[in-house]
Amino acid sequence: DTEVTQTPKHLVMGMTNKKSLKCEQHMGHRAMYWYKQKAKKPPELMFVYSYEKLSINESVPSRFSPECPNSSLLNLHLHALQPEDSALYLCASSQEGTSGSYEQYFGPGTRLTVT
Amino acid sequence: AQSVTQLGSHVSVSEGALVLLRCNYSSSVPPYLFWYVQYPNQGLQLLLKYTSAATLVKGINGFEAEFKKSETSFHLTKPSAHMSDAAEYFCAVSDQGGGKLIFGQGTELSVKP
Repeated sequence: DTEVTQTPKHLVMGMTNKKSLKCEQHMGHRAMYWYKQKAKKPPELMFVYSYEKLSINESVPSRFSPECPNSSLLNLHLHALQPEDSALYLCASSQEGTSGSYEQYFGPGTRLTVT
Repeated sequence: AQSVTQLGSHVSVSEGALVLLRCNYSSSVPPYLFWYVQYPNQGLQLLLKYTSAATLVKGINGFEAEFKKSETSFHLTKPSAHMSDAAEYFCAVSDQGGGKLIFGQGTELSVKP
């Protein structure tokens, strides 16, 4: 099974709301990633968790807060977002995050709209 | 710093024609290279990867890519295009530590009947 699942598929939130995105994988992978993708653009890396510890934060604004409760789960907590944060948010996982040879498996994404 | 350049933001081919999507990379060390496909409103799906085992890499859905170190290229090909191949294609490079993927800007493939 090479599936990464993400919930919800769609999310509409106001700028004062607090919401969370959820990602899950059961492949035994030890690295998990959050990406942001705007229309007609490549994914942009936001965060990397390796062995449940945050290893990379690509200078993401603090209104995005990642959490890795265990090796299978990854959350992205959202608070006080701006309209320009509207995008497709993709989660990915790989066998581990210290070698670039391992491919990343992507989930279907959450389409976020900030009003 | 590593980088990836995909030549042509949009490629259009006829059904049954050869598909050629170009990717050039810049890396100071032997790279790991990947091709991903993204269908509308979906996540990315891995087509194939190069990790130095063989220069000609075969992937899913009839796609293959050849690593050419002298040309710093990793072009994606498919002998005969199918309507279902219409999608966005991303080439990506990964460094040897950290697992960070650097994506090209993407190439949108259209297939005409």
